[in-house]
Amino acid sequence: DQQVKQNSPSLSVQEGRISILNCDYTNSMFDYFLWYKKYPAEGPTFLISISSIKDKNEDGRFTVFLNKSAKHLSLHIVPSQPGDSAVYFCAARTGANNLFFGTGTRLTVIP
Amino acid sequence: GAVVSQHPSRVICKSGTSVKIECRSLDFQATTMFWYRQFPKQSLMLMATSNEGSKATYEQGVEKDKFLINHASLTLSTLTVTSAHPEDSSFYICSARDAGTGSSEQYFGPGTRLTVT
Repeated sequence: DQQVKQNSPSLSVQEGRISILNCDYTNSMFDYFLWYKKYPAEGPTFLISISSIKDKNEDGRFTVFLNKSAKHLSLHIVPSQPGDSAVYFCAARTGANNLFFGTGTRLTVIP
Repeated sequence: GAVVSQHPSRVICKSGTSVKIECRSLDFQATTMFWYRQFPKQSLMLMATSNEGSKATYEQGVEKDKFLINHASLTLSTLTVTSAHPEDSSFYICSARDAGTGSSEQYFGPGTRLTVT
């Protein structure tokens, strides 16, 4: 049972434009959401997170939006850079409990 | 800071043999480490939670006698895949929590690619 879903396996964006990566979840008990970035043959690295009490969190070029009623969150990257090309995983947890990951979206930023 | 290493990064073994994967927290102590497995085009799936000084907690469907976990110290956890079969071929990733901060944040290792022939 996939509690966290990323329905787009891949996304291509021109350099300088906005990248929008989407994530849906089914468990309404999740109260913390994270985005990880993963390069080939490396482990995921933490990118940005958001608590369920917020609807937006911004860190430089990265912004995460949370829509609890729709059980949907998105990661916006603007402007996109070639170095952003990687696989992005959405993850969620309840309290300090285990993380549930989505299947990932491969972002390619075209120079 | 918060660096986690894994060894080996890649291993090929024959069916029926056992292989050990190490996970180390290099600059912090970790009372809790996690072992994940990722099949191609699938998400990271938690296999077990490794607790220093006590038995690991396995997720449903994960055979504890096949995937032996030993959290030997505050900086080392090992995963041993016993009697490996080709279907065990996967990407194994560990993560660790910094016991010093009390944070729930997990820091991930670079992963180990296991191929069973």
